[in-house]
Amino acid sequence: GAGVSQSPRYKVAKRGQDVALRCDPISGHVSLFWYQQALGQGPEFLTYFQNEAQLDKSGLPSDRFFAERPEGSVSTLKIQRTQQEDSAVYLCASVVTGSQPQHFGDGTRLSIL
Amino acid sequence: SQQGEEDPQALSIQEGENATMNCSYKTSINNLQWYRQNSGRGLVHLILIRSNEREKHSGRLRVTLDTSKKSSSLLITASRAADTASYFCATVPLSQGAQKLVFGQGTRLTINP
Repeated sequence: GAGVSQSPRYKVAKRGQDVALRCDPISGHVSLFWYQQALGQGPEFLTYFQNEAQLDKSGLPSDRFFAERPEGSVSTLKIQRTQQEDSAVYLCASVVTGSQPQHFGDGTRLSIL
Repeated sequence: SQQGEEDPQALSIQEGENATMNCSYKTSINNLQWYRQNSGRGLVHLILIRSNEREKHSGRLRVTLDTSKKSSSLLITASRAADTASYFCATVPLSQGAQKLVFGQGTRLTINP
């Protein structure tokens, strides 16, 4: 596909379960970003990759959140021992390079019961 | 935490009218971008204005930037029902090495037919 693809689109999990969210960026895009968007709010930065290197993870809320991009393309955001406050939409964005506009996927809506 | 605020939080106008949204931010920036988000979808990039630019146009969109007041505005002229969406401004702070975006809380725009 031509755009950023995220899966699953919706995820419901019980509190305490682990979840994994996937992002397929646009082919050839060097940079990849994860954002968290609470209901009615703007997205907030979580973490950033340049190729396979995680250069900034300052936005990750706790050590329960972990992201990887082992081959510099697909990325996975993992949340361990989920809590209700983790309920949000998780957005992935990719960029060719530099200061170009970011291309966003449609997000994964995570609901923790 | 988010960089700035958007005003108004919600705006409802008739089709054909112009819509103006304002954004304020806190720190010095590299550039400012506007994004649109339809319900349940990801963000779509609309326009980017650099810190040394004062005004930019793209089709029915006009963006202004006043770095002395740390504010920007987005004008949509001759609005259409399809313009109904949430609009977010996002800044790239000057201190950031990576192009991570810092979003406002957004303006929810409704165009009434």
